[in-house]
Order: sequence, then C-alpha cells, then structure tokens
Amino acid sequence: DGGITQSPKYLFRKEGQNVTLSCEQNLNHDAMYWYRQDPGQGLRLIYYSQIVNDFQKGDIAEGYSVSREKKESFPLTVTSAQKNPTAFYLCASSIWQNTEAFFGQGTRLTVV
Amino acid sequence: GIQVEQSPPDLILQEGANSTLRCNFSDSVNNLQWFHQNPWGQLINLFYIPSGTKQNGRLSATTVATERYSLLYISSSQTTDSGVYFCAVGPLGTASKLTFGTGTRLQVTL
Repeated sequence: DGGITQSPKYLFRKEGQNVTLSCEQNLNHDAMYWYRQDPGQGLRLIYYSQIVNDFQKGDIAEGYSVSREKKESFPLTVTSAQKNPTAFYLCASSIWQNTEAFFGQGTRLTVV
Repeated sequence: GIQVEQSPPDLILQEGANSTLRCNFSDSVNNLQWFHQNPWGQLINLFYIPSGTKQNGRLSATTVATERYSLLYISSSQTTDSGVYFCAVGPLGTASKLTFGTGTRLQVTL
C-alpha cells in the first residue's frame, strides 16, 4: 500500500533527552514536511524539504533538526533545546511544492 | 505572513442537517486544501481546491480566489462527520508553505 508511515504512534521521553521521530513515504514524492499541533490549535510548519539533501526552516524550527538523505525518509529530531516538546507531530508529503499534501497518522510525543 | 480564519469555530448539528464552513485568507494563494481530522488525529484529505468548485458525495467545496475565501458544504450530516475541519492555504510565490486555520469543530448528534 502506498502511503506515509510515522513511527512510533506514542513516544514518552524524559526532559533533556533528544528524540527522533520517523517519517517514511513510498509515494515517490519529492517534497516532505513536518508540522506540530498543540491541543485545540491548527498545525504549524517546523521544517520542509523539496528535494534530497536540502531542507528549509518553517515557522517554528527552533529546537528541532531534520535530515533528508533519502527521498523516502525525513526524520525529525526534537532536541533538548525545544522548550515545550510535548505535542502531536505530523509528517506530510507532496509530489512537488504547492501540490496536494498528504499526511501520516502522527506521533504523540510526551516529555515528562 | 498570510492569515487564515475559519468560521464558525464550533458547530453542533443534528444528524441529517446541512452546514457551511467558511475559510477566509488574507492573500493570494496557489494551494488550498480542506481536511477532516478524526478523533484519532488523522488528517483526511477532502479537497484540493485552489479555485473553482468540486463535489465528492455529500461534500462539496467552492473557492473564490479573487475574493479570498473558500466554502465547504456538508449535506445530510452523519455522526461520522464529527471532528475538526481544517482549511490550509499555500500563498502565491512561496514554496511548500501550507498555513492552517484554527479549524471548525463539528459535532453531529443523533
């Protein structure tokens, strides 16, 4: 089945630890994105990548890092510098920039 | 940056009723999508509609790009329509930057 797979669904970490969220797609899409959603809010863009080995900061990139070494993979690392990391994280992809975006099922990160 | 406003913020309907959700945006766009977020958080694509009108079963959408708004129509609502509906736009001249509204929370009751 073609789609976007995020893992894990739920993640618990202690404060001060870095954590990496996985996002894989088999849709052959060039563009990939990471969004953050807080309770009762819309989604905010963290990072996006339009092509392998290239990525750009979104609106709330501080405390996060990404890599794009393969077309199908766009992992997100939440670093200890992120002040409020507890949130719902969603990964998306699209054929190219500004075409229809499709989302994975999300990862709920809780930092205690 | 571009502002996206959705109305109403909350909506309660009886099953079978019709509704219209609105999305206003503050600048020209080349991408507009409507999503339904289910209770498990999954974002379901409803429409990719930067302009014009589309229909899919009981749902339809219209975007009037020149007047900077889009409407989502839900007819004969069902309890499974409950959830949050998001409008997201990609401003003209920028790359890969979907900006989301804060959503309309819909509850359909029996």
